[in-house]
Amino acid sequence: DTGVSQNPRHKITKRGQNVTFRCDPISEHNRLYWYRQTLGQGPEFLTYFQNEAQLEKSRLLSDRFSAERPKGSFSTLEIQRTEQGDSAMYLCASSLSYQETQYFGPGTRLLVL
Amino acid sequence: GENVGLHLPTLSVQEGDNSIINCAYSNSASDYFIWYKQESGKGPQFIIDIRSNMDKRQGQRVTVLLNKTVKHLSLQIAATQPGDSAVYFCAEKPENRLAFGKGNQVVVIP
Repeated sequence: DTGVSQNPRHKITKRGQNVTFRCDPISEHNRLYWYRQTLGQGPEFLTYFQNEAQLEKSRLLSDRFSAERPKGSFSTLEIQRTEQGDSAMYLCASSLSYQETQYFGPGTRLLVL
Repeated sequence: GENVGLHLPTLSVQEGDNSIINCAYSNSASDYFIWYKQESGKGPQFIIDIRSNMDKRQGQRVTVLLNKTVKHLSLQIAATQPGDSAVYFCAEKPENRLAFGKGNQVVVIP
């Protein structure tokens, strides 16, 4: 499978715990995006990377959220001190910098109890 | 209380009929538009895209129409099949991010 992959697919955690998600983009794609989606809504942009550089962050990305892409390949999204409002599907997408189309992974569904 | 966010506009269509899904976008500066299909528990799947210098683009069984004057986008699905049942999102791209519209649920009746 050469598409975008995300792990884990599901995560249940208790409020206050830290969680980390991983995204592996399509291999030659140099741009990587994180989105969050709540039930019944469209995905909302969180942040994106070009290679290892984080070029843009949304206001949705509070200081409890941090994303990295250390080698310009896979990326991690960490949420510290999770809150119930963080419960959502976290989606990763990738693209080539000279192409517009973003391809999405299957998402990680987070439930904070 | 009612959770408005859970009530998606729904289009019920008979198998074999054509479907039309409409979308209004907000940013006049957007120069690229894209339609995604999302099945339950899965990520959005690319269907078709269109640049602002075009007003129509056709794919396999799908056509996207763009009306920049009224900032309106539509997706036409020909000969709708049961596998087309999903939530459909339009998105615009004014800069590097995608801004998604409200989804439309399509239910195909066999």
